[in-house]
Amino acid sequence: SQQGEEDPQALSIQEGENATMNCSYKTSINNLQWYRQNSGRGLVHLILIRSNEREKHSGRLRVTLDTSKKSSSLLITASRAADTASYFCATGEYGNQFYFGTGTSLTVIP
Amino acid sequence: GAVVSQHPSRVICKSGTSVKIECRSLDFQATTMFWYRQFPKKSLMLMATSNEGSKATYEQGVEKDKFLINHASLTLSTLTVTSAHPEDSSFYICSARDRAQRDGYTFGSGTRLTVV
Repeated sequence: SQQGEEDPQALSIQEGENATMNCSYKTSINNLQWYRQNSGRGLVHLILIRSNEREKHSGRLRVTLDTSKKSSSLLITASRAADTASYFCATGEYGNQFYFGTGTSLTVIP
Repeated sequence: GAVVSQHPSRVICKSGTSVKIECRSLDFQATTMFWYRQFPKKSLMLMATSNEGSKATYEQGVEKDKFLINHASLTLSTLTVTSAHPEDSSFYICSARDRAQRDGYTFGSGTRLTVV
């Protein structure tokens, strides 16, 4: 099955710094989504970027998509301790099924 | 916004018994729901696609006789782990999409299954 891969697997930063996570995928996509998961809880949808979009913003989140490189990045600006979570990219396919990457574990140190 | 309720949140069962996990869309109808499994410190893995009124579609490597899925109504899908073994211990999450929303899926809060 298709899966994205996030990079880095773990990231630890100081509060106030920016956090950047990258995601690579293998095949053509309709869209790519980023989700957040707090310590084994359900996922929360953060942002969706469509294959014809290159950049999208939502609050402190900025997502870019490079379909030629099959990669996406998620930038969280001015990080807060509450941003500590695992972040997953998910690629959507025609059947509306989603495949998830391995996730980046972000720790924001107060 | 769309809400997906998953129950129970935690369950402990003995080896050999069966466990049923429910996934309900509370304020929308979902003809399709998805079941995922997550191992500790691992990614989510899509197990199966649950289709209302028809058989579920299982991903390669997922035993359909082991993980029974029933999607009897537009708001309820159930996952039954049959003859549970300790290696079935995992975090199970369902998701559904409100077609009125153009973006994103709503996920249940997950069920942590421990088989002893």
